[in-house]
Amino acid sequence: DARVTQTPRHKVTEMGQEVTMRCQPILGHNTVFWYRQTMMQGLELLAYFRNRAPLDDSGMPKDRFSAEMPDATLATLKIQPSEPRDSAVYFCASGSPNRDRGYEQYFGPGTRLTVT
Amino acid sequence: GESVGLHLPTLSVQEGDNSIINCAYSNSASDYFIWYKQESGKGPQFIIDIRSNMDKRQGQRVTVLLNKTVKHLSLQIAATQPGDSAVYFCAEKGWGSNYKLTFGKGTLLTVNP
Repeated sequence: DARVTQTPRHKVTEMGQEVTMRCQPILGHNTVFWYRQTMMQGLELLAYFRNRAPLDDSGMPKDRFSAEMPDATLATLKIQPSEPRDSAVYFCASGSPNRDRGYEQYFGPGTRLTVT
Repeated sequence: GESVGLHLPTLSVQEGDNSIINCAYSNSASDYFIWYKQESGKGPQFIIDIRSNMDKRQGQRVTVLLNKTVKHLSLQIAATQPGDSAVYFCAEKGWGSNYKLTFGKGTLLTVNP
């Protein structure tokens, strides 16, 4: 059954290192979302794409975070340089939201990032 | 800014009982609401959704109620099972928000055998 996949599932890195997280959305979905989840802030939307075009990245720290969709089967979230406060679980979600079908998002399993 | 919040951060019930998880929202312009379930170590999973032109919707063992007058959303789970133990999130889509969902902080449901 179709699922969103994310790699890596776990990442431990040192402060200052570059981190790249990857997501493969469900085939046919035209909208991809990146979220960050922490105990303190809950689930926060970082950025999202529609038909591979960035629609909103206002939730993302611009100086160190970047999100791209090189093609319809791959979305990436990059942090450079990483900091301890970036430690969180990062989720990718995909969907084809519209008024008729609804706005359900399908979430991947997440990447647990620890920055030491 | 406007946000979605929860009345109760934790809820503990006995297996077989009915569970009610509540959510207060503040954006009166929101036109779509959704409930997600998140088990430990997994991503959120869709449970049920409801549009603002409805006040009730039923699924398998779950019912969502929407009270727009007091801006309140609830998820009812019938005959709660140990497998229902998880964190439950409500989320809203503001009218004209272009597909974005705003998530609440979540309620931890624990089902005791």
